[in-house]
Amino acid sequence: QKEVEQNSGPLSVPEGAIASLNCTYSDRVSQSFFWYRQYSGKSPELIMSIYSNGDKEDGRFTAQLNKASQYVSLLIRDSQPSDSATYLCAVNQAGTALIFGKGTTLSVSS
Amino acid sequence: NAGVTQTPKFQVLKTGQSMTLQCAQDMNHNSMYWYRQDPGMGLRLIYYSASEGTTDKGEVPNGYNVSRLNKREFSLRLESAAPSQTSVYFCASNLNLGGGYQPQHFGDGTRLSIL
Repeated sequence: QKEVEQNSGPLSVPEGAIASLNCTYSDRVSQSFFWYRQYSGKSPELIMSIYSNGDKEDGRFTAQLNKASQYVSLLIRDSQPSDSATYLCAVNQAGTALIFGKGTTLSVSS
Repeated sequence: NAGVTQTPKFQVLKTGQSMTLQCAQDMNHNSMYWYRQDPGMGLRLIYYSASEGTTDKGEVPNGYNVSRLNKREFSLRLESAAPSQTSVYFCASNLNLGGGYQPQHFGDGTRLSIL
């Protein structure tokens, strides 16, 4: 069974802090990795994708990938209350379907 | 700039009734997907269509059927609804040129309650 694991949280950080969200996956042949943000009652929204080992930065967001450790993370710098949401990690094993983790709920307090 | 459009947005059914959830995308994507999302369970794939004319089962296909009507449209049918099918259903699509590098884009969801 191919699995994607995330800590369900909630992860609570104060406004302006760095939020660190983590994800591990079981299938070593996974090739592409995505982070989605989902506000309560809304649909998942893509915020980052990463395919190679290392860091990828986009504004306040940094995705980190370590294929040897089967680990992908998302850092959110200068966290804002508007970042409060559930963050979904998704992994693709070179096929067509994504496997999603159950999500980590982030709460940013002002 | 519609993206992925799902209809209806909300529906209440009685056990044993049937219904079809509709999904259409205007991004010329090759692949389309149906997921269900339940509290504490994350997103689970029901069926997908890698390209027009093909469909495949996902993780939780029992009780559902799908039709890829054309490149734009992918419908999900519940033949005899059961309370266990109460969920939020999301349709997604992506370009899917191979390798799994193209992200999926989601519709707004259908909130389905079965009494």
